[in-house]
Amino acid sequence: QKEVEQDPGPLSVPEGAIVSLNCTYSNSAFQYFMWYRQYSRKGPELLMYTYSSGNKEDGRFTAQVDKSSKYISLFIRDSQPSDSATYLCATGGYQKVTFGTGTKLQVIP
Amino acid sequence: DVKVTQSSRYLVKRTGEKVFLECVQDMDHENMFWYRQDPGLGLRLIYFSYDVKMKEKGDIPEGYSVSREKKERFSLILESASTNQTSMYLCASRGPGTGRTYGYTFGSGTRLTVV
Repeated sequence: QKEVEQDPGPLSVPEGAIVSLNCTYSNSAFQYFMWYRQYSRKGPELLMYTYSSGNKEDGRFTAQVDKSSKYISLFIRDSQPSDSATYLCATGGYQKVTFGTGTKLQVIP
Repeated sequence: DVKVTQSSRYLVKRTGEKVFLECVQDMDHENMFWYRQDPGLGLRLIYFSYDVKMKEKGDIPEGYSVSREKKERFSLILESASTNQTSMYLCASRGPGTGRTYGYTFGSGTRLTVV
């Protein structure tokens, strides 16, 4: 079983839609949870960071962690064409994290 | 903002060549990482380092080595390049603590093709 599972998509939505991206993980000891956004031919950039469980909101983005079900989510409200990218979840302990394979999102104008 | 700079965006090397990929970060971070990224496989950790002259194997270290002689520089070495090492290579740096600085900062990547 992979440590982190993520649906690769692709996911295509109309502009203005609410987007839900999800990952599951296997190790209940994981404490660090992150979402990265990666544009084509670029390195990933940190989008959201959460330590332990709960929700975190930043503008149109909300990250949720449910440690009881080992489920992490990223919600994007009022999605824009500029949100078209690959989104990677990441989780782990202090020493290193494991990344999901990424979900490719396309927001259609 | 932390900047992580990878020396080459694109490289083409021949099978059997020794290849050096260089990475420099400008925020005095102790933690540095090398990943490769392949379609369907995501990011896989090759090596990481928590201090100068210190290195730890990641999940796929075979065929690679690393060097960290200075805090800001972390080099990945392909001892004898093979075609299955054709990939996107990403270097990352990480700050201390458990706050947002824990998040990795990545370079733009080096697309290596081995022919």
